[in-house]
Amino acid sequence: GESVGLHLPTLSVQEGDNSIINCAYSNSASDYFIWYKQESGKGPQFIIDIRSNMDKRQGQRVTVLLNKTVKHLSLQIAATQPGDSAVYFCAEKYNNNDMRFGAGTRLTVKP
Amino acid sequence: DADVTQTPRNRITKTGKRIMLECSQTKGHDRMYWYRQDPGLGLRLIYYSFDVKDINKGEISDGYSVSRQAQAKFSLSLESAIPNQTALYFCATSDLQGETQYFGPGTRLLVL
Repeated sequence: GESVGLHLPTLSVQEGDNSIINCAYSNSASDYFIWYKQESGKGPQFIIDIRSNMDKRQGQRVTVLLNKTVKHLSLQIAATQPGDSAVYFCAEKYNNNDMRFGAGTRLTVKP
Repeated sequence: DADVTQTPRNRITKTGKRIMLECSQTKGHDRMYWYRQDPGLGLRLIYYSFDVKDINKGEISDGYSVSRQAQAKFSLSLESAIPNQTALYFCATSDLQGETQYFGPGTRLLVL
Protein backbone atom coordinates (compact mmCIF):
# COMPACT_ATOMS: atom_id res chain seq x y z
CA GLY A 1 0.00 0.00 0.00
CA GLU A 2 0.97 3.60 -0.20
CA SER A 3 2.83 5.09 2.71
CA VAL A 4 4.87 7.99 3.91
CA GLY A 5 8.41 7.06 4.89
CA LEU A 6 11.77 8.50 5.76
CA HIS A 7 15.13 7.63 4.28
CA LEU A 8 17.12 7.80 7.51
CA PRO A 9 15.99 7.09 11.04
CA THR A 10 18.75 9.21 12.66
CA LEU A 11 20.77 12.24 11.70
CA SER A 12 23.62 13.79 13.64
CA VAL A 13 24.95 17.23 12.74
CA GLN A 14 27.36 19.73 14.19
CA GLU A 15 25.94 22.88 15.70
CA GLY A 16 25.92 25.60 13.08
CA ASP A 17 25.76 23.22 10.14
CA ASN A 18 22.75 22.85 7.90
CA SER A 19 20.50 19.80 8.30
CA ILE A 20 18.56 18.04 5.60
CA ILE A 21 15.84 15.56 6.50
CA ASN A 22 14.19 13.58 3.75
CA CYS A 23 10.82 12.00 3.23
CA ALA A 24 9.43 9.82 0.46
CA TYR A 25 5.76 9.61 -0.29
CA SER A 26 3.97 7.34 -2.68
CA ASN A 27 0.48 8.77 -3.10
CA SER A 28 0.73 10.84 -6.25
CA ALA A 29 -2.66 12.39 -5.50
CA SER A 30 -1.50 13.97 -2.24
CA ASP A 31 -1.70 17.73 -2.53
CA TYR A 32 -0.59 18.99 0.84
CA PHE A 33 2.40 18.17 3.04
CA ILE A 34 3.51 19.15 6.51
CA TRP A 35 6.67 18.83 8.55
CA TYR A 36 6.32 18.35 12.29
CA LYS A 37 8.87 18.55 15.08
CA GLN A 38 8.45 16.38 18.15
CA GLU A 39 10.58 17.04 21.19
CA SER A 40 10.98 14.47 23.91
CA GLY A 41 7.88 14.25 26.07
CA LYS A 42 5.87 16.60 23.90
CA GLY A 43 3.34 16.39 21.13
CA PRO A 44 4.20 17.07 17.49
CA GLN A 45 4.51 20.74 16.62
CA PHE A 46 3.81 22.19 13.18
CA ILE A 47 6.91 23.58 11.47
CA ILE A 48 6.08 24.30 7.86
CA ASP A 49 3.76 23.14 5.11
CA ILE A 50 3.69 23.12 1.34
CA ARG A 51 1.06 22.53 -1.29
CA SER A 52 1.62 20.45 -4.38
CA ASN A 53 1.48 23.49 -6.67
CA MET A 54 4.73 24.71 -5.10
CA ASP A 55 8.30 23.41 -5.25
CA LYS A 56 9.75 25.33 -2.35
CA ARG A 57 8.62 27.20 0.68
CA GLN A 58 10.72 29.04 3.23
CA GLY A 59 10.15 29.81 6.85
CA GLN A 60 12.39 31.07 9.57
CA ARG A 61 15.61 28.99 9.19
CA VAL A 62 13.59 26.19 7.57
CA THR A 63 12.91 25.39 3.95
CA VAL A 64 10.73 22.64 2.55
CA LEU A 65 11.39 21.33 -0.94
CA LEU A 66 8.90 19.25 -2.88
CA ASN A 67 9.88 17.15 -5.87
CA LYS A 68 6.71 15.70 -7.31
CA THR A 69 8.53 13.89 -10.08
CA VAL A 70 10.23 11.53 -7.64
CA LYS A 71 7.69 12.01 -4.83
CA HIS A 72 10.21 13.37 -2.42
CA LEU A 73 9.96 15.96 0.33
CA SER A 74 12.82 17.45 2.29
CA LEU A 75 13.22 19.75 5.25
CA GLN A 76 16.29 21.93 5.43
CA ILE A 77 17.27 23.59 8.68
CA ALA A 78 19.84 26.33 8.42
CA ALA A 79 22.46 26.90 11.12
CA THR A 80 21.22 24.01 13.23
CA GLN A 81 21.04 24.74 16.94
CA PRO A 82 20.89 22.46 19.99
CA GLY A 83 17.24 23.36 20.38
CA ASP A 84 16.58 21.77 17.00
CA SER A 85 17.32 18.32 18.42
CA ALA A 86 14.08 16.38 18.09
CA VAL A 87 12.25 13.87 15.95
CA TYR A 88 11.04 15.31 12.66
CA PHE A 89 8.38 13.68 10.56
CA CYS A 90 6.46 14.50 7.47
CA ALA A 91 2.78 14.09 6.82
CA GLU A 92 0.81 14.01 3.61
CA LYS A 93 -2.81 14.80 3.05
CA TYR A 94 -3.85 11.39 1.80
CA ASN A 95 -7.41 12.36 0.99
CA ASN A 96 -9.92 14.88 2.26
CA ASN A 97 -10.21 13.25 5.65
CA ASP A 98 -6.88 11.56 6.16
CA MET A 99 -3.37 12.67 6.99
CA ARG A 100 -0.65 10.02 6.81
CA PHE A 101 2.46 10.40 8.93
CA GLY A 102 5.99 9.15 8.48
CA ALA A 103 7.83 7.36 11.27
CA GLY A 104 10.27 10.19 11.87
CA THR A 105 13.97 11.03 11.83
CA ARG A 106 15.78 11.76 15.06
CA LEU A 107 18.00 14.81 14.67
CA THR A 108 20.85 15.19 17.15
CA VAL A 109 22.84 18.39 17.21
CA LYS A 110 26.39 18.07 18.54
CA PRO A 111 27.91 21.11 20.26
CA ASP B 1 -2.14 27.81 28.81
CA ALA B 2 -1.87 24.92 26.38
CA ASP B 3 -4.44 24.90 23.57
CA VAL B 4 -4.82 21.11 23.60
CA THR B 5 -4.58 19.26 26.89
CA GLN B 6 -4.68 15.58 27.67
CA THR B 7 -5.30 13.73 30.92
CA PRO B 8 -3.77 11.70 32.33
CA ARG B 9 -0.24 12.19 31.03
CA ASN B 10 0.80 8.75 32.16
CA ARG B 11 -1.25 5.68 33.01
CA ILE B 12 -0.48 2.14 34.01
CA THR B 13 -3.31 -0.35 33.89
CA LYS B 14 -3.88 -4.09 33.83
CA THR B 15 -5.15 -6.31 31.07
CA GLY B 16 -8.94 -6.33 30.93
CA LYS B 17 -9.45 -2.99 32.64
CA ARG B 18 -11.50 -0.21 31.08
CA ILE B 19 -9.79 3.14 30.90
CA MET B 20 -10.58 6.54 29.48
CA LEU B 21 -8.23 9.17 28.11
CA GLU B 22 -9.49 12.73 28.01
CA CYS B 23 -8.74 15.54 25.60
CA SER B 24 -9.77 19.18 25.86
CA GLN B 25 -9.09 22.06 23.52
CA THR B 26 -9.49 25.81 23.68
CA LYS B 27 -8.78 26.48 20.01
CA GLY B 28 -12.44 26.46 19.04
CA HIS B 29 -11.82 23.84 16.38
CA ASP B 30 -14.58 21.57 15.18
CA ARG B 31 -12.36 18.65 14.20
CA MET B 32 -10.69 16.41 16.73
CA TYR B 33 -8.59 13.27 16.37
CA TRP B 34 -7.07 10.45 18.38
CA TYR B 35 -3.80 8.87 17.28
CA ARG B 36 -1.46 6.31 18.72
CA GLN B 37 2.29 6.39 18.27
CA ASP B 38 4.48 3.31 18.50
CA PRO B 39 8.28 3.20 18.25
CA GLY B 40 9.42 3.14 14.64
CA LEU B 41 5.94 3.81 13.30
CA GLY B 42 4.17 6.95 12.22
CA LEU B 43 1.10 8.26 13.98
CA ARG B 44 -1.88 6.07 13.25
CA LEU B 45 -5.41 7.39 13.34
CA ILE B 46 -7.81 5.69 15.74
CA TYR B 47 -10.93 7.85 15.51
CA TYR B 48 -11.86 11.32 14.40
CA SER B 49 -14.78 13.65 14.83
CA PHE B 50 -15.82 16.60 12.69
CA ASP B 51 -18.44 17.94 15.07
CA VAL B 52 -20.29 17.16 18.26
CA LYS B 53 -21.82 13.67 18.06
CA ASP B 54 -19.99 12.98 14.79
CA ILE B 55 -17.76 9.90 15.06
CA ASN B 56 -15.66 8.26 12.37
CA LYS B 57 -13.39 5.25 12.47
CA GLY B 58 -9.78 5.64 11.57
CA GLU B 59 -7.14 3.18 10.49
CA ILE B 60 -7.00 1.22 13.76
CA SER B 61 -10.30 1.62 15.62
CA ASP B 62 -10.69 -1.97 16.86
CA GLY B 63 -10.57 -2.18 20.64
CA TYR B 64 -11.24 1.54 21.08
CA SER B 65 -14.28 3.78 21.36
CA VAL B 66 -14.71 7.54 21.56
CA SER B 67 -17.19 10.10 22.73
CA ARG B 68 -17.64 13.69 21.55
CA GLN B 69 -20.25 15.29 23.80
CA ALA B 70 -18.99 18.84 23.44
CA GLN B 71 -16.98 20.77 20.88
CA ALA B 72 -14.05 21.15 23.25
CA LYS B 73 -13.86 17.57 24.50
CA PHE B 74 -13.07 14.26 22.85
CA SER B 75 -12.49 11.17 24.98
CA LEU B 76 -10.95 7.84 24.03
CA SER B 77 -11.85 4.62 25.82
CA LEU B 78 -10.24 1.24 25.86
CA GLU B 79 -13.08 -1.09 26.79
CA SER B 80 -10.83 -3.97 27.80
CA ALA B 81 -7.18 -3.02 27.68
CA ILE B 82 -4.63 -5.45 26.26
CA PRO B 83 -0.82 -5.25 26.33
CA ASN B 84 -0.46 -4.41 22.63
CA GLN B 85 -2.36 -1.19 23.33
CA THR B 86 0.69 0.02 25.20
CA ALA B 87 1.62 3.16 23.29
CA LEU B 88 1.76 6.92 23.29
CA TYR B 89 -1.64 8.43 22.54
CA PHE B 90 -2.13 11.87 21.04
CA CYS B 91 -5.18 14.00 20.64
CA ALA B 92 -5.22 16.62 17.89
CA THR B 93 -7.52 19.32 16.60
CA SER B 94 -7.86 21.11 13.30
CA ASP B 95 -10.03 23.71 11.65
CA LEU B 96 -12.63 22.88 9.02
CA GLN B 97 -10.00 22.41 6.32
CA GLY B 98 -8.54 19.62 8.41
CA GLU B 99 -5.00 20.16 7.25
CA THR B 100 -2.79 21.60 9.96
CA GLN B 101 -3.39 19.62 13.11
CA TYR B 102 -2.48 20.81 16.59
CA PHE B 103 -1.44 18.11 19.00
CA GLY B 104 -1.74 17.66 22.71
CA PRO B 105 1.24 16.61 24.86
CA GLY B 106 0.33 12.93 24.72
CA THR B 107 -0.66 10.21 27.18
CA ARG B 108 1.78 7.40 27.79
CA LEU B 109 -0.18 4.21 28.45
CA LEU B 110 1.26 0.97 29.75
CA VAL B 111 -0.95 -2.12 29.83
CA LEU B 112 0.43 -4.92 31.98
